[in-house]
Amino acid sequence: RKEVEQDPGPFNVPEGATVAFNCTYSNSASQSFFWYRQDCRKEPKLLMSVYSSGNEDGRFTAQLNRASQYISLLIRDSKLSDSATYLCVVRVGSSNTGKLIFGQGTTLQVKP
Amino acid sequence: EAGVAQSPRYKIIEKRQSVAFWCNPISGHATLYWYQQILGQGPKLLIQFQNNGVVDDSQLPKDRFSAERLKGVDSTLKIQPAKLEDSAVYLCASSLPGTSGNIQYFGAGTRLSVL
Repeated sequence: RKEVEQDPGPFNVPEGATVAFNCTYSNSASQSFFWYRQDCRKEPKLLMSVYSSGNEDGRFTAQLNRASQYISLLIRDSKLSDSATYLCVVRVGSSNTGKLIFGQGTTLQVKP
Repeated sequence: EAGVAQSPRYKIIEKRQSVAFWCNPISGHATLYWYQQILGQGPKLLIQFQNNGVVDDSQLPKDRFSAERLKGVDSTLKIQPAKLEDSAVYLCASSLPGTSGNIQYFGAGTRLSVL
């Protein structure tokens, strides 16, 4: 079983749609949680951290359920520029020396 | 602020040849990481340095891969000899210890093709 599991998609949605991605992780000792975005043939970039209380950044909302070991990302009012691969990431270990475990990514294609 | 620099951007070699990649982290970032990203997968950590010491190299195939970070700044990752399955993007990242959640910043990567 993979440590971080995501549905690879692709998710094909029209502009303006709302789309949700889910992710599960297996290590209950995971400390921090993130969503990274990776454009085609580019490096991953941090999209947002994920907190237990849930957090929002503009059109993006992230949720964490520690009991179920489940993370989600909701994108509202999708834009063409949202087309990318979204990587679910967990940190295991301390903030200084812990390592990041990446899911395989979920591909989103927003169409006009 | 300059980002993480990597070179070369692309490399094509034949199997059994050797190859080396170079990384210069963001200035002041003590922690440096090398990842391997195979097409269709997420990045996989190969090795993590804190200054010039190795923190985690549990997933580094040590029979063929080696990495060093002399003087705690630049780092090189070497593959000798390369195999077909080493074809991937090699990403370098750096972070500032103590920052919330250990946010890592990635370089553009080196795309390796082994023929």
